[in-house]
Amino acid sequence: GESVGLHLPTLSVQEGDNSIINCAYSNSASDYFIWYKQESGKGPQFIIDIRSNMDKRQGQRVTVLLNKTVKHLSLQIAATQPGDSAVYFCAERMGNQGGKLIFGQGTELSVKP
Amino acid sequence: GAGVSQSPSNKVTEKGKDVELRCDPISGHTALYWYRQSLGQGLEFLIYFQGNSAPDKSGLPSDRFSAERTGGSVSTLTIQRTQQEDSAVYLCASSWGGAKNIQYFGAGTRLSVL
Repeated sequence: GESVGLHLPTLSVQEGDNSIINCAYSNSASDYFIWYKQESGKGPQFIIDIRSNMDKRQGQRVTVLLNKTVKHLSLQIAATQPGDSAVYFCAERMGNQGGKLIFGQGTELSVKP
Repeated sequence: GAGVSQSPSNKVTEKGKDVELRCDPISGHTALYWYRQSLGQGLEFLIYFQGNSAPDKSGLPSDRFSAERTGGSVSTLTIQRTQQEDSAVYLCASSWGGAKNIQYFGAGTRLSVL
């Protein structure tokens, strides 16, 4: 098998339930935040983004909440499906740092049928 | 192509050898990024190209790492004298440009240094 790396935080949910994935970001100067989904063997796939002048944004089955006071970001997935099983990363972009993203460690979402 | 293309998908090399990793961004995207992902970890920024501006190289871990982008399109990441700690997945992303544009990622190149 593969060598052991750091263990990701894991969230296990039942199919059909709602999922909430949390992320603490590091820099109060960050002005743009993104959630990505990464399936095994694939590159990260964009889910939803939010700018710092907003506190909530909704997409299809997903909602992102931003709390700048405590530097906290969350991703809510409604009616979670087996296809939602993946590792989810939040990323932040500092306003004066051009385009580079700073990624969190990631959370592994496991959906039980 | 429709998405970001990276080649090779897998690369096995011996310690001390040089490797080149290639990225073809989405057509029309002016910004291109390289990240590194070690096993079970998040992505680590390496370098960022935006149009004709000087690249942001602030994430390159050592002078063994370099990247270039020719003609504002294809990019090559070169690692000289590879070490075992260079083993990781190297991911490329592109965007329309501007700090708040969505980055679209390729599938990555898995580099294994023996």
